[in-house]
Amino acid sequence: GENVEQHPSTLSVQEGDSAVIKCTYSDSASNYFPWYKQELGKRPQLIIDIRSNVGEKKDQRIAVTLNKTAKHFSLHITETQPEDSAVYFCAASRYGGSQGNLIFGKGTKLSVKP
Amino acid sequence: EAGVTQSPTHLIKTRGQQATLRCSPISGHTSVYWYQQALGLGLQFLLWYDEGEERNRGNFPPRFSGRQFPNYSSELNVNALELEDSALYLCASSDATVLNTEAFFGQGTRLTVV
Repeated sequence: GENVEQHPSTLSVQEGDSAVIKCTYSDSASNYFPWYKQELGKRPQLIIDIRSNVGEKKDQRIAVTLNKTAKHFSLHITETQPEDSAVYFCAASRYGGSQGNLIFGKGTKLSVKP
Repeated sequence: EAGVTQSPTHLIKTRGQQATLRCSPISGHTSVYWYQQALGLGLQFLLWYDEGEERNRGNFPPRFSGRQFPNYSSELNVNALELEDSALYLCASSDATVLNTEAFFGQGTRLTVV
């Protein structure tokens, strides 16, 4: 089955700096890659996703890139703010068949220092 | 529109007992996923139900089981509870008829085994 590796496990940046979180996946048939943000004590919420037919997607200060050949995808947060502090999870899934569930990475705890 | 709801929010059981956790998906969503989030760890995939059937399960022992009802709500049952089963159990739902769609999470059930 799918396996998702996520790095780093913790990341500390100064406010205004950029943050990058990287994930690799094992199943070459995976075609959907969402990123979730989980603030302390709250449920995970989708912040951005990318499908396998796209190489990059941006939404204001966040962007995701996908390299299908290398089987890795990354989350980029620019101009970080204290409210970006949270745990971020990447995930991968393959639509259809028995592998349509999301498999998550272990998460990255991002701390943005004012 | 109501989001994904889970009950109870907290559950305390003793070792060896059984626990039943419940999840109501967003109206119109047919897929329900269960995840275990132990302290400091990521989201471990437990079970996926769609249209009343189990579609996939993660690497958990058979004492973790569940079902999905005709109204698409779901139960997760954990038999013969062990101390290491203490975790936040998250349920998520999605519209399986839409290709690569977002999974929405509930607030979770905090299970404590003593």
